[in-house]
Amino acid sequence: DIVMTQSPDSLAVSLGERATINCKSSQSILYSSNNKNYLAWYQQKPGQPPKVLVYWASTRESGVPDRFSGSGSGTDFTLTISSLQAEDVGLYYCQQYFATPPTFGQGTKVEIK
Amino acid sequence: QITLRESGPTLVRPTQTLTLTCTFSGFALTTTGVGVGWFRQPPGKALEWLAIVYGNDDKRYSPSLKNRLTIARDTSRNQVVLTMTSMDPVDTGTYYCAHHPITVAYMNWFDPWGQGILVTVSS
Repeated sequence: DIVMTQSPDSLAVSLGERATINCKSSQSILYSSNNKNYLAWYQQKPGQPPKVLVYWASTRESGVPDRFSGSGSGTDFTLTISSLQAEDVGLYYCQQYFATPPTFGQGTKVEIK
Repeated sequence: QITLRESGPTLVRPTQTLTLTCTFSGFALTTTGVGVGWFRQPPGKALEWLAIVYGNDDKRYSPSLKNRLTIARDTSRNQVVLTMTSMDPVDTGTYYCAHHPITVAYMNWFDPWGQGILVTVSS
């Protein structure tokens, strides 16, 4: 299985400041034939199911605010919240879909400082 | 609009078999590439993928749980059923089903998800 490792496990950011979450895969999840990175980011608010924010590592899902952006390639990826809002508090997960089984990172908890 | 909803028992005894049903609307599980996946999340822990059934009736399972899982679709009822045998307290958690979209890849992200059902395994 491909192991996904996120860092940090938690972070506290002031309102309006930038939050950065990292995700590293145990092997490359870049498919050379189409040059796509098989990585998604999810947000999970307390008591709610996950919601996809970004797929193909950098494509924002329709309706997701543009303060959320994904970047990276190969084995190293980043989710950035450019200006943290109160409603962004929650857990964030990366997921690879390059290989079956699809696997998730352990999650990063984002809080307000 | 795609929606999914999980149903089933919230309390299961150790060694029993868990049967969960995902009832969905807004898409047809008859097209290759479309799918419904199952996941679980132990309290305070990360998400774990369990299984998927595609619109062509192809099925894939988590290697670590393959011997305990069965997934099946009922296209006439727009339902997907997951059974897990030999339940143990470590299987306690919230179980989710989710929609798998069609893209250039056979395995993708999942969205949207059902609200989930908390299953407790205890005697």
